[in-house]
Amino acid sequence: AQSVTQLGSHVSVSEGALVLLRCNYSSSVPPYLFWYVQYPNQGLQLLLKYTTGATLVKGINGFEAEFKKSETSFHLTKPSAHMSDAAEYFCAVSDSNYQLIWGAGTKLIIKP
Amino acid sequence: SQTIHQWPATLVQPVGSPLSLECTVEGTSNPNLYWYRQAAGRGLQLLFYSVGIGQISSEVPQNLSASRPQDRQFILSSKKLLLSDSGFYLCAWSASWGQITEAFFGQGTRLTVV
Repeated sequence: AQSVTQLGSHVSVSEGALVLLRCNYSSSVPPYLFWYVQYPNQGLQLLLKYTTGATLVKGINGFEAEFKKSETSFHLTKPSAHMSDAAEYFCAVSDSNYQLIWGAGTKLIIKP
Repeated sequence: SQTIHQWPATLVQPVGSPLSLECTVEGTSNPNLYWYRQAAGRGLQLLFYSVGIGQISSEVPQNLSASRPQDRQFILSSKKLLLSDSGFYLCAWSASWGQITEAFFGQGTRLTVV
């Protein structure tokens, strides 16, 4: 069965520092991988996704992620954190026609 | 373009009262529809999904039920709310063909059972 593991329920970085949120997955089929962001009391918004093609995927708000099949990873990065990046981030994998399998989420805290 | 509407945004209900949350999707046909819940400090829990009218799959046995009376309408219900039903409820949809390439979320309903 597919699963998604996000390392760290909370990640704290200083404003201007590198953001790295980790995601590892297991999948029995070629995976489609996703990162979503959720601001307080709002729905989830797609940041970026990998389906096929280039393994380095760029998304909104300066985020990017790289699909590494050998490491079964899809880590999310941003070179320089802004205060507005404070939110919860979810990694997910598409396992079939019907469901996304979700990680537990990582809350990103930005220190001034 | 496709849009998803979910209401109400917030709801405070007494224990034992009924619940009805509604979600509608515009701009697409035959979507897959989902209800998720987020309890405080926890991740996304899939409650129900539907691949067509009248077709509901339950992921977690509980005090809630779902119905899909129309192609683009998904309703979450309860006959008697429990304190443990409090949480943030999210409706979502995805295209119904092939492997999911994106899920689109509503703005959520904050339910507090008192």
